[in-house]
Amino acid sequence: GQSLEQPSEVTAVEGAIVQINCTYQTSGFYGLSWYQQHDGGAPTFLSYNALDGLEETGRFSSFLSRSDSYGYLLLQELQMKDSASYFCAVYTGGFKTIFGAGTRLFVKA
Amino acid sequence: DADVTQTPRNRITKTGKRIMLECSQTKGHDRMYWYRQDPGLGLRLIYYSFDVKDINKGEISDGYSVSRQAQAKFSLSLESAIPNQTALYFCATSGDRATDTQYFGPGTRLTVL
Repeated sequence: GQSLEQPSEVTAVEGAIVQINCTYQTSGFYGLSWYQQHDGGAPTFLSYNALDGLEETGRFSSFLSRSDSYGYLLLQELQMKDSASYFCAVYTGGFKTIFGAGTRLFVKA
Repeated sequence: DADVTQTPRNRITKTGKRIMLECSQTKGHDRMYWYRQDPGLGLRLIYYSFDVKDINKGEISDGYSVSRQAQAKFSLSLESAIPNQTALYFCATSGDRATDTQYFGPGTRLTVL
């Protein structure tokens, strides 16, 4: 079967750094995406990694290791507004994307 | 104006009723998707379409049907709603075949009593 594993919840304090991990097992792999979803809102795209390494976009970075079937989302200088759910997703190339169950991030003051 | 819109935003219905959820997009994307979201289960794919003549079942299509009326419109129907179809439903579009980056509508919260 195909699966993506990510922690269900993570808690961190404002100003800190937090890492959300994602491991995957899929029949095909084109790339790993991350989406953010605030309560009551729609998922919004954050990043996409097709190749190994770290991609940085402002306070957010995303990492991929294809050999380990592993990636992570790194959030720096956490702000209260970063409290949300974060989904990793694998584009299998089979004309569809598989989403993980999501990690709920709580940012405390 | 929103690029991907869904109607209705909220709906309460009774078991056995037929329900249609509608999705429209102005992004000009070929790919459109319907997902349902349940707490702790993430986003699960119901149906997807790559153009007006192409409809494909996702992982949880039983009890649902779709219609792609035009490039910009993709509707999801529940022929006879049941309580375990109570969920948050999202429509999404994608125009990037290399990454399948998806853009989501605001969602429809459906309650089946």
